[in-house]
Amino acid sequence: DAGVIQSPRHEVTEMGQEVTLRCKPISGHDYLFWYRQTMMRGLELLIYFNNNVPIDDSGMPEDRFSAKMPNASFSTLKIQPSEPRDSAVYFCASSANRITGELFFGEGSRLTVL
Amino acid sequence: QQQVKQSPQSLIVQKGGISIINCAYENTAFDYFPWYQQFPGKGPALLIAIRPDVSEKKEGRFTISFNKSAKQFSLHIMDSQPGDSATYFCAASRNTDKLIFGTGTRLQVFP
Repeated sequence: DAGVIQSPRHEVTEMGQEVTLRCKPISGHDYLFWYRQTMMRGLELLIYFNNNVPIDDSGMPEDRFSAKMPNASFSTLKIQPSEPRDSAVYFCASSANRITGELFFGEGSRLTVL
Repeated sequence: QQQVKQSPQSLIVQKGGISIINCAYENTAFDYFPWYQQFPGKGPALLIAIRPDVSEKKEGRFTISFNKSAKQFSLHIMDSQPGDSATYFCAASRNTDKLIFGTGTRLQVFP
């Protein structure tokens, strides 16, 4: 299996621009998670889906962030408009069957907002 | 109550030494405690996990010690190797709820 695939790996943009991060989970996994990693706050859960349905978005920082999962093999995390404080590494992860099952992370998307 | 506190933030160990990373939690309903290992430029990967019905779990050079009464658990890396240099995250959850991660410990093992 190819694992969780994220794109782009690196994104540099200017403040105010829209950013879209993409994720393809492992086939057959029912849960998909979006995390943000920073030095100060570590790994923060932004949102997670179960069977393509958003279950908990309490970690989404504000209305500038949105996430969708139109089908079982694709999810997006969008930031509009982006701000310098959004600079971080964004990880997508998936797991099979259980929310507390082993999480399989992608390699992350490093976002820099100038 | 949802926090998992991890220490130290960074750790330097000589090759062959023991690396110890500690975590503490408040929520007594937590019943699953995994550790994740992250190498630079990669996503975290599950290393080892424990449930509160046992006090210790060992997999090779990696051991989780769990103290339910103190609400603490720790990762011990015996005979630490330069290849163990990575960031380690503890985490905790209840069966029906999401994982809560600690803030991470950057381990450097020098030859």
